[in-house]
Amino acid sequence: AQTVTQSQPEMSVQEAETVTLSCTYDTSESDYYLFWYKQPPSRQMILVIRQEAYKQQNATENRFSVNFQKAAKSFSLKISDSQLGDAAMYFCAYRSALMGDSGGSNYKLTFGKGTLLTVNP
Amino acid sequence: DAGVTQSPTHLIKTRGQHVTLRCSPISGHKSVSWYQQVLGQGPQFIFQYYEKEERGRGNFPDRFSARQFPNYSSELNVNALLLGDSALYLCASSLESIGYGGYTFGSGTRLTVV
Repeated sequence: AQTVTQSQPEMSVQEAETVTLSCTYDTSESDYYLFWYKQPPSRQMILVIRQEAYKQQNATENRFSVNFQKAAKSFSLKISDSQLGDAAMYFCAYRSALMGDSGGSNYKLTFGKGTLLTVNP
Repeated sequence: DAGVTQSPTHLIKTRGQHVTLRCSPISGHKSVSWYQQVLGQGPQFIFQYYEKEERGRGNFPDRFSARQFPNYSSELNVNALLLGDSALYLCASSLESIGYGGYTFGSGTRLTVV
């Protein structure tokens, strides 16, 4: 079974500064997807960024970028020019890319325990 | 377009009771997944439905069941509620069963069992 580990329960950053959130995962599969989701107090999980394992290029979405190290099974999120609105819980998630039915494991997201990000003005 | 809508937003039930949670996916999305998020933890997968068929089931007891309707909305049912069922229940929809683009989540139903 796949596992996702976020080793930083809490992180803080000054507004306009850069912060990096860590995520490691364990899998025996070679093809998969990795996601970072943001969960503000409104509770809705919002997709921040997505990475396909077969792509060597790191994904970037505006101020958000990832450092994907497949061999090390590491998937960190970098937030540049942090804003007050970035304050939230951040979850790293894994999903298999395997097709077909294998007990439903293909379709689920496996989440880490999350990192609470505080942005200080 | 409306996002994923869940109802009710909050619910208080007594141990042993039954609860039904509802989810309407984004218009055009045919897949609905359910997750349980206990306080301080990441969401845990419960079910996925696509085109009204169950496509995946997580490690939850048979007290948990779900179904998807012809309009792609979904219900999650939990029987014989336990205190440990208290959690935020999240619904996520995607256009296809695999969800290549990621899943769009609703704001959840906060269930408290007393």
